[in-house]
Amino acid sequence: EADIYQTPRYLVIGTGKKITLECSQTMGHDKMYWYQQDPGMELHLIHYSYGVNSTEKGDLSSESTVSRIRTEHFPLTLESARPSHTSQYLCASRAHEQYFGPGTRLTVT
Amino acid sequence: KNQVEQSPQSLIILEGKNCTLQCNYTVSPFSNLRWYKQDTGRGPVSLTIMTFSENTKSNGRYTATLDADTKQSSLHITASQLSDSASYICVVSGVDSSYKLIFGSGTRLLVRP
Repeated sequence: EADIYQTPRYLVIGTGKKITLECSQTMGHDKMYWYQQDPGMELHLIHYSYGVNSTEKGDLSSESTVSRIRTEHFPLTLESARPSHTSQYLCASRAHEQYFGPGTRLTVT
Repeated sequence: KNQVEQSPQSLIILEGKNCTLQCNYTVSPFSNLRWYKQDTGRGPVSLTIMTFSENTKSNGRYTATLDADTKQSSLHITASQLSDSASYICVVSGVDSSYKLIFGSGTRLLVRP
């Protein structure tokens, strides 16, 4: 059982709101990732980090930002949510094996 | 371009039957290949991970094979159960992309009673 957590699990918000999706892991992994996944579609990497104070953009362009101030914590922020941001967001961390969190399903109305 | 392709896109089988899912990749140089199971609305869960030197690996009723020469992998599910209904994702890691994994689009399996 992987010790990686995401909150909230579900979020419905209005356009223009600022939101932060939380991700934390207790495995001490340096590498952490954020993926975006539309229903029935493949995962797309939007951000990753290989340690504290390290963040990089992934393969899919995203208007979100991330921070990595502590090893165990990798939050994702949308400054102004839009309907096009509606999706599932999956956080993951990795040593040898990659573990995924349960995901946050975001709906922007 | 590094790619991972899976087939079939979707599959329906009867409970108790076996099935095999395919994965072809062009990632080079190759490091390892993983199979994940993803239930609807959940995060993927690892089934197997295989390196270059491994040909087969089992996890209960799931058996993965790898042919690194032809760059093909398969996931065989034996005596399927209703709870096997999920998406199965093939993921490949290259030697030069230690921080990124290349994901296939998945095979959606439905097991019917």
